[in-house]
Amino acid sequence: KAGVTQTPRYLIKTRGQQVTLSCSPISGHRSVSWYQQTPGQGLQFLFEYFSETQRNKGNFPGRFSGRQFSNSRSEMNVSTLELGDSALYLCASSLGLAGTPYNEQFFGPGTRLTVL
Amino acid sequence: AQTVTQSQPEMSVQEAETVTLSCTYDTSESDYYLFWYKQPPSRQMILVIRQEAYKQQNATENRFSVNFQKAAKSFSLKISDSQLGDAAMYFCAYRSGSEYGNKLVFGAGTILRVKS
Repeated sequence: KAGVTQTPRYLIKTRGQQVTLSCSPISGHRSVSWYQQTPGQGLQFLFEYFSETQRNKGNFPGRFSGRQFSNSRSEMNVSTLELGDSALYLCASSLGLAGTPYNEQFFGPGTRLTVL
Repeated sequence: AQTVTQSQPEMSVQEAETVTLSCTYDTSESDYYLFWYKQPPSRQMILVIRQEAYKQQNATENRFSVNFQKAAKSFSLKISDSQLGDAAMYFCAYRSGSEYGNKLVFGAGTILRVKS
């Protein structure tokens, strides 16, 4: 079974630009969560999508947005990039079934975004 | 809001010996899950072990075991017979059992170095 894939793996952008990152979950998984990892702030939850709906959101400005498609693939978008947005962006997928008390999350390799 | 604290930024262990990584958390909830994740230099986050708060028995997975002290809100990871492949960043994480969704709250991480 293929794991979680993220594209691109590396990205360099300049301040003010926008960027779109993609995450393909494990086949059959309907939940995709996004995390930002930086040396200063550590791992922070951005948002989670389940069946094309955002069902949880972290404390990030509106410049960070996401969406999920009918095949469960998810994208996150960051507009008007700032230097502080430089980070490793991780996505994680799980079955995410409603009512299930626990669903293991499987992480992708991440996208390394550098903002110059 | 829940918080997770890992007070050891870095730990070292000799190959074949035992090491314990510390984690404390703060929550007002009674239903939750705790996890230890491993992030090797390749950056792919891997689940090491999980503990359900309602279970009194400490979780064990091969050489990995936890010491879960619910009243003290402590959740330490013990790695026995340490191997070179155990070298990585280890994150303690919390997930609410009552909130809908898969949001994980992570600690700052502990870098584990294994000496041969």
